[in-house]
Amino acid sequence: DTGVSQDPRHKITKRGQNVTFRCDPISEHNRLYWYRQTLGQGPEFLTYFQNEAQLEKSRLLSDRFSAERPKGSFSTLEIQRTEQGDSAMYLCASLSSNLAVRGYEQFFGPGTRLTVL
Amino acid sequence: GNSVTQMEGPVTLSEEAFLTINCTYTATGYPSLFWYVQYPGEGLQLLLKATKADDKGSNKGFEATYRKETTSFHLEKGSVQVSDSAVYFCALGGYNFNKFYFGSGTKLNVKP
Repeated sequence: DTGVSQDPRHKITKRGQNVTFRCDPISEHNRLYWYRQTLGQGPEFLTYFQNEAQLEKSRLLSDRFSAERPKGSFSTLEIQRTEQGDSAMYLCASLSSNLAVRGYEQFFGPGTRLTVL
Repeated sequence: GNSVTQMEGPVTLSEEAFLTINCTYTATGYPSLFWYVQYPGEGLQLLLKATKADDKGSNKGFEATYRKETTSFHLEKGSVQVSDSAVYFCALGGYNFNKFYFGSGTKLNVKP
């Protein structure tokens, strides 16, 4: 497999602009997760998909955040009307819920670092 | 609820010193436990895991044992190298958990 990829790796935007990030999971993985990580902290869960269905969203996720996984493959995370507090690393991870495949561990992408000016 | 607590850093050691990073957890159910490592500017990489009580995960000289009686999963390495300098995250998750729960991370600095 080629691993989890994320695009872009870095994004600088002005407050109030919309941004969209993309995640391509490992091809046979049916679950896809989005996390946010700020400096000195562990990953904070945002949302996850099983195939194309979004099964859970964090209560911390404001309505400015939306995520999709339209065909159960890649996913996008959009942030509307960005605020300076949105500056963080956004991490994507995937796994297979088939216990016979890789023992139910998450594989992470390299992340997208967002800076809101 | 589910949560992970790990020792605060940074931890600074000399090369070849013994490393312990403490991790304790609370969980409803029977989680798997993981240690991830993050190098600067990169995503998280799985270092090792254990899926049930008394299992020992090991990789690259690192070890951790799943202790149900003390709800712990401490990371150890007998002789650290400069290349081990990174941030280490303890996490719980697994088949019956919708999401993974991460500790706040422990930064390890190894000096030559």
